[in-house]
Amino acid sequence: DAMVIQNPRYQVTQFGKPVTLSCSQTLNHNVMYWYQQKSSQAPKLLFHYYDKDFNNEADTPDNFQSRRPNTSFCFLDIRSPGLGDAAMYLCATSAPGPAGPQHFGDGTRLSIL
Amino acid sequence: AQTVTQSQPEMSVQEAETVTLSCTYDTSESDYYLFWYKQPPSRQMILVIRQEAYKQQNATENRFSVNFQKAAKSFSLKISDSQLGDAAMYFCAYRPWDYGGSQGNLIFGKGTKLSVKP
Repeated sequence: DAMVIQNPRYQVTQFGKPVTLSCSQTLNHNVMYWYQQKSSQAPKLLFHYYDKDFNNEADTPDNFQSRRPNTSFCFLDIRSPGLGDAAMYLCATSAPGPAGPQHFGDGTRLSIL
Repeated sequence: AQTVTQSQPEMSVQEAETVTLSCTYDTSESDYYLFWYKQPPSRQMILVIRQEAYKQQNATENRFSVNFQKAAKSFSLKISDSQLGDAAMYFCAYRPWDYGGSQGNLIFGKGTKLSVKP
């Protein structure tokens, strides 16, 4: 089945130690998104790619970066994680246009020690 | 800025009964899309139903239907014949019709946690 796969499901890192979360898709969608979801809150869009074009949300901290080396893969890099960055990180994909639904991965739960 | 409000943090329904989850939104746009997403515990978020604002007819997907009131900016989700597997967090989401080419901007409400009692 075509899907969005996030690795790992659970990630523990130390305060200030860089961490990378990965997302891959077999849907061949042009658009990939990264959301941050804190406990009992709605997902918050961090940024998205339309093909290679990167779109950063205005309030996304500089600490968060992303890379998309090809259509299938997208990475979220947190350069110096703080305690406030502990959250579930969701990757999603969609076909171009506002009508297409977003397809989500299972998420990576990030803990900061 | 567009906002989405879900006024019911938690809801409960008896198995086989019907439940309605509320959602209101604020926008100055006339064209947009509305979605309900379901997020079961520790599982991925999946699309339940979608509504185009330019369509007057309410969307229906099997046991799930919406009551879309554009003038009131209301978009409620009705679940009929509730099943144990319906227990999840439900998010209402808004997405603008963007002629500018931007592909982001799915704006979520805070969610409603639905419990289903056997």
